[in-house]
Amino acid sequence: DAGVTQTPRHEVAEKGQTIILKCEPVSGHNDLFWYRQTKIQGLELLSYFRSKSLMEDGGAFKDRFKAEMLNSSFSTLKIQPTEPKDSAVYLCASSPGNQDTQYFGPGTRLLVL
Amino acid sequence: SQLAEENSWALSVHEGESVTVNCSYKTSITALQWYRQKSGKGPAQLILIRSNEREKRNGRLRATLDTSSQSSSLSITATRCEDTAVYFCATDTGNYKYVFGAGTRLKVIA
Repeated sequence: DAGVTQTPRHEVAEKGQTIILKCEPVSGHNDLFWYRQTKIQGLELLSYFRSKSLMEDGGAFKDRFKAEMLNSSFSTLKIQPTEPKDSAVYLCASSPGNQDTQYFGPGTRLLVL
Repeated sequence: SQLAEENSWALSVHEGESVTVNCSYKTSITALQWYRQKSGKGPAQLILIRSNEREKRNGRLRATLDTSSQSSSLSITATRCEDTAVYFCATDTGNYKYVFGAGTRLKVIA
């Protein structure tokens, strides 16, 4: 079975650019999560979808971060405009739902100059 | 503030020894999961333990949950070099999204 895939694996952006990260969840999973991971803050939830509906939009991250789930097999995370403090690893995870395991992708490492 | 946190930032043990990672949390939970993240990879689930369970095992791994003290532990016996990773606890407060602790870095030395 295919796991969660994320593209690109690495991204370098100039400050002020718009970048789009992509995620394909495990087929048949109902829940999809976007996280940001840094050494200082750890794993922070950015967005949470249940059956393609946005359940959590990340509070403090609403400003420049927008996640969408266009269909059950594809999600994007747009950061606009990027800032150097956005440099982090962005992880996508999917889950069958109902307290089940989250399956994580390998992440996208973003560097904003 | 974090709702879940591991109690040690880093641990190191020699191969073959046992090690325990502890986690404390601050609110009532419905479930707690332990994850492991190896360098360059996403986290991978090790054990899910629900609030009505006290202990769960998975091979060399054993997780405990004490809801009265709001704490959990993950023990690894007969450690191997490939157990070197960051270990996270993650809590579900009932809305099906998990809050992750900052993680404990475990190094197993050959």
